[in-house]
Amino acid sequence: SQTIHQWPATLVQPVGSPLSLECTVEGTSNPNLYWYRQAAGRGLQLLFYSVGIGQISSEVPQNLSASRPQDRQFILSSKKLLLSDSGFYLCAWVASRETQYFGPGTRLLVL
Amino acid sequence: AQKITQTQPGMFVQEKEAVTLDCTYDTSDPSYGLFWYKQPSSGEMIFLIYQGSYDQQNATEGRYSLNFQKARKSANLVISASQLGDSAMYFCAMRDTGRRALTFGSGTRLQVQP
Repeated sequence: SQTIHQWPATLVQPVGSPLSLECTVEGTSNPNLYWYRQAAGRGLQLLFYSVGIGQISSEVPQNLSASRPQDRQFILSSKKLLLSDSGFYLCAWVASRETQYFGPGTRLLVL
Repeated sequence: AQKITQTQPGMFVQEKEAVTLDCTYDTSDPSYGLFWYKQPSSGEMIFLIYQGSYDQQNATEGRYSLNFQKARKSANLVISASQLGDSAMYFCAMRDTGRRALTFGSGTRLQVQP
């Protein structure tokens, strides 16, 4: 069966520090992968999606970037975090019937 | 552009009763998919139910059913026989054809009371 992992689960970072969040998927090959962000009490906002290795599409202008170095690995990064980067970051992949399944998420607090 | 609207920020329901969570959508795509997700306090997004725009029948998954009214562009979630564990945020979402990504509504917080 397919499983999606995210780490770390929780992160507290100072403003201006770098960021690296990792997402990996098991049990499938060449999945479409997505990064979403959820601000407190809000819905999810699509940040990036990838249809294959090295193929990244950005949805929202920001100081975040994404990379897909391997087929089942999706990384979200920043060189310098802003206070507004705080939120809940969720990685997802597309399964049958176009259904997206989500990882457990990373809670990021920028102070 | 696609848009999902959930007009109920919060809902209360008594245990064992049924509840309907509203969702309306807007899209110019002739083919689309509608989803409902549950998000408990732990934060995980749990897939509940899917409805394709060309599906003839309303989707059902156990105690969840989707009341799909295409002409009205609505896709309401019906939860039958509510349980205390149903207390959570519920999000309606639409998949766009091009990116295969989801556009989410703002969510409805459901509280089931004993």
